[in-house]
Amino acid sequence: DAGITQSPRYKITETGRQVTLMCHQTWSHSYMFWYRQDLGHGLRLIYYSAAADITDKGEVPDGYVVSRSKTENFPLTLESATRSQTSVYFCASRDDGYTFGSGTRLTVV
Amino acid sequence: QQQVKQSPQSLIVQKGGISIINCAYENTAFDYFPWYQQFPGKGPALLIAIRPDVSEKKEGRFTISFNKSAKQFSLHIMDSQPGDSATYFCAASYYGGSQGNLIFGKGTKLSVKP
Repeated sequence: DAGITQSPRYKITETGRQVTLMCHQTWSHSYMFWYRQDLGHGLRLIYYSAAADITDKGEVPDGYVVSRSKTENFPLTLESATRSQTSVYFCASRDDGYTFGSGTRLTVV
Repeated sequence: QQQVKQSPQSLIVQKGGISIINCAYENTAFDYFPWYQQFPGKGPALLIAIRPDVSEKKEGRFTISFNKSAKQFSLHIMDSQPGDSATYFCAASYYGGSQGNLIFGKGTKLSVKP
C-alpha cells in the first residue's frame, strides 16, 4: 500500500526503557518529520530529515534520537523513556504538501 | 518566535450552521497557509490551502479567507455536517511554500450537533 506506515500503533513501555518508533514511506520523498501531539499543544516538531543521513532538531528534540540510513525509513528512538514522553507520535513526509501517518500512541508508565 | 495562534480551542455548531475557525500569525515570511483535518485515531490530512497572493479560496463547503494586512486567516465550513466533527489545525510555512517547514496552530475541536 502506498503511503506512510507507522509501527507500532500502540505501545506501553516502562520508564527508563529504550523504545523505537518506526516510520516507512513508499514514495521517495526527501523530507520526513516526527511530531508529537499533546492536548493543549497541538503538533510539535521533534526532528526532521532533509535526506538520507541529514537530520536536524525541531522544537522539542530533547530525549529523542533519529537516524535515516535509507530514504524510506525514519525511526525515532526514545533512549530512556520518561512519563512526559507519553504522547501520540506522528511521522510525515513532504512532497508538495505534507502526508501524515496514522500515529503511534505511546504510554510510558 | 514564529507562531501561529488558533482560536477557539473548541467549537460546537448545529447541523447546517457555519463553523468559523481563526488563526493569526506574526512572521511576514510565511508564504503558504494550509488547514488540516484530523479524525480520532487518524493522522492530520490536508483539507485546503491558500497562498498570500489571494484573499479567498473555496473548495466545496470549505473556504479560507486571508487578510494579509491583519496577518490573519480563517476557515469557514458552510452547512456544517456531523461528519465534519474533527480537530482542525491551521498551519503556516515559510521559505518554500508547500515545500517549506510547517508551523502548526494548537488545533480546534469541532463538534457538529445533529
